[in-house]
Amino acid sequence: NAGVTQTPKFRILKIGQSMTLQCTQDMNHNYMYWYRQDPGMGLKLIYYSVGAGITDKGEVPNGYNVSRSTTEDFPLRLELAAPSQTSVYFCATRQGANYGYTFGSGTRLTVV
Amino acid sequence: DQQVKQNSPSLSVQEGRISILNCDYTNSMFDYFLWYKKYPAEGPTFLISISSIKDKNEDGRFTVFLNKSAKHLSLHIVPSQPGDSAVYFCAANVYGTASKLTFGTGTRLQVTL
Repeated sequence: NAGVTQTPKFRILKIGQSMTLQCTQDMNHNYMYWYRQDPGMGLKLIYYSVGAGITDKGEVPNGYNVSRSTTEDFPLRLELAAPSQTSVYFCATRQGANYGYTFGSGTRLTVV
Repeated sequence: DQQVKQNSPSLSVQEGRISILNCDYTNSMFDYFLWYKKYPAEGPTFLISISSIKDKNEDGRFTVFLNKSAKHLSLHIVPSQPGDSAVYFCAANVYGTASKLTFGTGTRLQVTL
């Protein structure tokens, strides 16, 4: 049982390049989230989804886009990478309101 | 506006003693609180939670206390073990907001021998 799988684990991007961070879950959870964690900071919500076809902005959505065509997949797209997007990105799912998140192992992104 | 605050960036405790990690919040609409543990190069893992209708929840060596009037919660680990060394995040959510969690900045716990 894989849980939440994130790829790639590491990536170095040049300024202005684009990339997609992949997130796949096999727990059939409706709720999915993308967070970023900057050094010494808590996790900030980028985007979230309450089910296939439904997405919404979180606290720090600028520079990112998401889609949710299936229950399993919730990719995060960076169109024009900027140094401010250097961070560790975590994808998470949640079964419901009174359950904890299940996180993926993260993607460490460096923009140079 | 930091709605969930962990004012101690780090804590060092001897093995076998009690570790107490603190968390304060400002949003009175928060109704569910969680603690997560994070090792380097891994995603956070869920540790323990508490609903706002309770003031205490226990799970083995871990106990979470909630003081709603003070908008404060704490995580107690007794006895502390070297494997507990990690970063601990406090998180909270408001019922009906798509279960979005607001996280604190974390406290790094080091359990020494």
